[in-house]
Amino acid sequence: GENVEQHPSTLSVQEGDSAVIKCTYSDSASNYFPWYKQELGKGPQLIIDIRSNVGEKKDQRIAVTLNKTAKHFSLHITETQPEDSAVYFCAASMDGGTSYGKLTFGQGTILTVHP
Amino acid sequence: DGGITQSPKYLFRKEGQNVTLSCEQNLNHDAMYWYRQDPGQGLRLIYYSQIVNDFQKGDIAEGYSVSREKKESFPLTVTSAQKNPTAFYLCASSINGRSNNEQFFGPGTRLTVL
Repeated sequence: GENVEQHPSTLSVQEGDSAVIKCTYSDSASNYFPWYKQELGKGPQLIIDIRSNVGEKKDQRIAVTLNKTAKHFSLHITETQPEDSAVYFCAASMDGGTSYGKLTFGQGTILTVHP
Repeated sequence: DGGITQSPKYLFRKEGQNVTLSCEQNLNHDAMYWYRQDPGQGLRLIYYSQIVNDFQKGDIAEGYSVSREKKESFPLTVTSAQKNPTAFYLCASSINGRSNNEQFFGPGTRLTVL
């Protein structure tokens, strides 16, 4: 089955700096890669996703890049703000077969943005 | 106000007891999921259901059971066979399970076995 590795496990930045979180996946058939943000005591919330037919996607201060050859994808947050502090999860999924909608999550990254 | 509700927020259980966690959604979603979250391990899939009266085991189904008698409800029972049940449990739903649509998560239930 799919295995997703996420690094780093913790990340501390100063307000205004950029933050980068990286994930690698094992199954070359995976074709959907969402990123979730989880605030303390709450459920995760989708912040951005990318499909395998696209190499990069951007939404305001957040961007995701995908390298299918190397089987890794990254989350980039620019101009970080204290409210970006949370746990971030990457995930991978394959659309089709018997694994419809089944997400495999990375271990999570605790991002702390210092004012 | 549409969304997913989970109850209770905190749950305490004695060893050897079964306990049922509630998950309800009013988003008219076909697919529903149960995840377990432990520190440093991300989210692991317990069970998922793509349609009423049908469900499949996820990666860590042992010691858990589910039912899907109604579209809006997907309760999870943690049985006494689950060796390490203390964890944070998250329920999610998506429009359908046949394509990779966004999964919407509930606020979670923190289960502690005493």
